[in-house]
Amino acid sequence: EDQVTQSPEALRLQEGESSSLNCSYTVSGLRGLFWYRQDPGKGPEFLFTLYSAGEEKEKERLKATLTKKESFLHITAPKPEDSATYLCAVHSGSARQLTFGSGTQLTVLP
Amino acid sequence: EPEVTQTPSHQVTQMGQEVILRCVPISNHLYFYWYRQILGQKVEFLVSFYNNEISEKSEIFDDQFSVERPDGSNFTLKIRSTKLEDSAMYFCASTGGVQNQPQHFGDGTRLSIL
Repeated sequence: EDQVTQSPEALRLQEGESSSLNCSYTVSGLRGLFWYRQDPGKGPEFLFTLYSAGEEKEKERLKATLTKKESFLHITAPKPEDSATYLCAVHSGSARQLTFGSGTQLTVLP
Repeated sequence: EPEVTQTPSHQVTQMGQEVILRCVPISNHLYFYWYRQILGQKVEFLVSFYNNEISEKSEIFDDQFSVERPDGSNFTLKIRSTKLEDSAMYFCASTGGVQNQPQHFGDGTRLSIL
């Protein structure tokens, strides 16, 4: 059974204070790892897909990386508008369903 | 940018009643999904749908649940006899034909069972 664990559960940063969120996974045959952002009362908003170890993707202040066991979402010089819950999900084997982690609730203080 | 739309945004229903949640996926997408998120818990997969039939379903998706694509644009989730534990956010998602493409989610329907 696929398992996805995210840490920390919650993270408070000062504006401009860079940090990283972790997603560790146990799957049989990773087909893709996905990062989503979720604002309160909204659905998950797609950020990145990573397919193989060593791959990196960037978008504005966010950078996602992937190893064989975990993924990191690096946030550089965050702003208050980056406050949200960040979800990690995996897609494995031939199934198309996503298995989600519990998320990291990020708060960026001005 | 195309998006997945869900209606209603909030549904309040008496226990034992039937409820239908509606979704309009992105127009050229081929695969459709329902997920749910109980307050404070993970997003959980319910069912996937392709070519007018269920392709995968989880243990949660029992005989109380059904899905349908009644026309070329709508995708529905029906819960026949709701229970208190069905209270959750229900998210619809869709994706194109290539495997491993990201799933795009709607903003969900909050289902409250009284």
